[in-house]
Amino acid sequence: DGGITQSPKYLFRKEGQNVTLSCEQNLNHDAMYWYRQDPGQGLRLIYYSQIVNDFQKGDIAEGYSVSREKKESFPLTVTSAQKNPTAFYLCASSTRTGGNTEAFFGQGTRLTVV
Amino acid sequence: EDQVTQSPEALRLQEGESSSLNCSYTVSGLRGLFWYRQDPGKGPEFLFTLYSAGEEKEKERLKATLTKKESFLHITAPKPEDSATYLCAVAGTASKLTFGTGTRLQVTL
Repeated sequence: DGGITQSPKYLFRKEGQNVTLSCEQNLNHDAMYWYRQDPGQGLRLIYYSQIVNDFQKGDIAEGYSVSREKKESFPLTVTSAQKNPTAFYLCASSTRTGGNTEAFFGQGTRLTVV
Repeated sequence: EDQVTQSPEALRLQEGESSSLNCSYTVSGLRGLFWYRQDPGKGPEFLFTLYSAGEEKEKERLKATLTKKESFLHITAPKPEDSATYLCAVAGTASKLTFGTGTRLQVTL
């Protein structure tokens, strides 16, 4: 089955710790994205990548980092510098960026800071 | 800056009671308008893409339409399984999606 796999589904982190969220896709898509979703707010773009070894900051990149070493993988690290990391994180991919192509989403990772 | 406003925030319908959800947008150079369905605790599921004013697309009980300033998602004779949050997003020349906050739809028997 083709799709986007995010893991883990639930993640708990102590304050001051970095944590990495996994995102893998087997759709052969060039572009990948990370969004954050908070209650009552729309999805907000954290980072996106159009090709391997290249990525750009989105609207709320502070306190996050990413890498794109393989086409299939786009992990997101939530660092201790992120002041309010508790949220639902969504990874997506599309055939390309440019806006005229739909993005497909994974099932999300819910991160809770305890 | 691209903006998307969805209304109403929440909508409760009885089974079979048709209605419409609204998505108003401002964007620099529309490249696409997208509708998604999201169930609680899940990722958004793609429904439709619309590219130009006057375009319409249908899928089962859903029909999406587009004008130069807004899009409507019409739900005809909804069933309880249509209950979800419906998200609208636009893509402009900035090559990224801007999402609205969604409409929570509940369909009761």
